[in-house]
Amino acid sequence: DVKVTQSSRYLVKRTGEKVFLECVQDMDHENMFWYRQDPGLGLRLIYFSYDVKMKEKGDIPEGYSVSREKKERFSLILESASTNQTSMYLCASRRETRQYSPLHFGNGTRLTVT
Amino acid sequence: GNSVTQMEGPVTLSEEAFLTINCTYTATGYPSLFWYVQYPGEGLQLLLKATKADDKGSNKGFEATYRKETTSFHLEKGSVQVSDSAVYFCALSGPGGSYIPTFGRGTSLIVHP
Repeated sequence: DVKVTQSSRYLVKRTGEKVFLECVQDMDHENMFWYRQDPGLGLRLIYFSYDVKMKEKGDIPEGYSVSREKKERFSLILESASTNQTSMYLCASRRETRQYSPLHFGNGTRLTVT
Repeated sequence: GNSVTQMEGPVTLSEEAFLTINCTYTATGYPSLFWYVQYPGEGLQLLLKATKADDKGSNKGFEATYRKETTSFHLEKGSVQVSDSAVYFCALSGPGGSYIPTFGRGTSLIVHP
């Protein structure tokens, strides 16, 4: 079974802090994704990565950046956290860039910015 | 662009009732269709999928049929259990671009004993 591990389940940070959310997958998947999940809004794509060192903006990239230096790890960075970034963050991986290939999700990181 | 519309919840049922959660989509060509489930406190996990028209995906008693003519992929289960209480997401991955999945907003299911 594919395992996608997010480093923290709960995180509390202060406004203006730089925040790192880490995600690791153990199945040599090509693609990795970061979503945020908010009530009533569903899942919104922040960034995705086709492969190592490759990244593309999703629907809501403002205020975020990402890093993928190794295939198994995809980091989401909040350069200067703000209260409107309080949310559930979900990382996902996908074996290959194929439309029939499903996503595998981590358990999420609930971030609170105070 | 691609879009997925699913019925708003919450859907509240008694145990052993029949479940339908409606999902319709807009996409060019022939997308692949998915249902994901999110149990409380967890991430999403794949429930079932269908990759071409008239395919039926099934898993854990849930079924959904890819209907190209009605652009639908409704989720059904004949007899729900309390343990099925969760949020269900319909999604598609379409041809073109990078096959970035498009998700519906999710439907919460609450099953009472």
